[in-house]
Amino acid sequence: RKEVEQDPGPFNVPEGATVAFNCTYSNSASQSFFWYRQDCRKEPKLLMSVYSSGNEDGRFTAQLNRASQYISLLIRDSKLSDSATYLCVVNFQSSYKLIFGSGTRLLVRP
Amino acid sequence: NAGVTQTPKFQVLKTGQSMTLQCAQDMNHNSMYWYRQDPGMGLRLIYYSASEGTTDKGEVPNGYNVSRLNKREFSLRLESAAPSQTSVYFCASSNRDRDEQFFGPGTRLTVL
Repeated sequence: RKEVEQDPGPFNVPEGATVAFNCTYSNSASQSFFWYRQDCRKEPKLLMSVYSSGNEDGRFTAQLNRASQYISLLIRDSKLSDSATYLCVVNFQSSYKLIFGSGTRLLVRP
Repeated sequence: NAGVTQTPKFQVLKTGQSMTLQCAQDMNHNSMYWYRQDPGMGLRLIYYSASEGTTDKGEVPNGYNVSRLNKREFSLRLESAAPSQTSVYFCASSNRDRDEQFFGPGTRLTVL
């Protein structure tokens, strides 16, 4: 089983739609959680950190479910510019390193 | 602030050639990382440096060496390039281990 698993997609949605991605992680000792965004042929960029209580940044909402070991990202009112790959990133308590999921591709159509 | 910079942006090598990928950050971060990204594989950690003067192997270190030249710079060397090392290489930095990481623009390497 992969340490961090994501549905690769693509999710193909119309502008204005609400779309949600889930990501599951295998290590219950994980401490830090992030969502990164990666545009085609570009570097990953931090979208938002994920806190235990959940957090929101404009149209983006992230949730953490420790009991079920998953994190989610909800995007409301999708824009064409949201088309990208979204990477789920987890840190394990005993490790220095961040573990990156393979990403979920989102395509927003006009 | 330039953030994290990498050179070169593109490189084509022949099997057996060597090269060094350069990375620098101007955010005064302590930790620096080298990843490779292959289609469908996600980002895989090659080496990391928690602080100046220290380096450690990541998930896929074979065929690579690194040098943490000072706090700002972290280089990745391929001593004898192989076609399996064709990939996109990203350098990243963070203030501390486990913090969010900031990435450079990447180096696209092709080994023929």
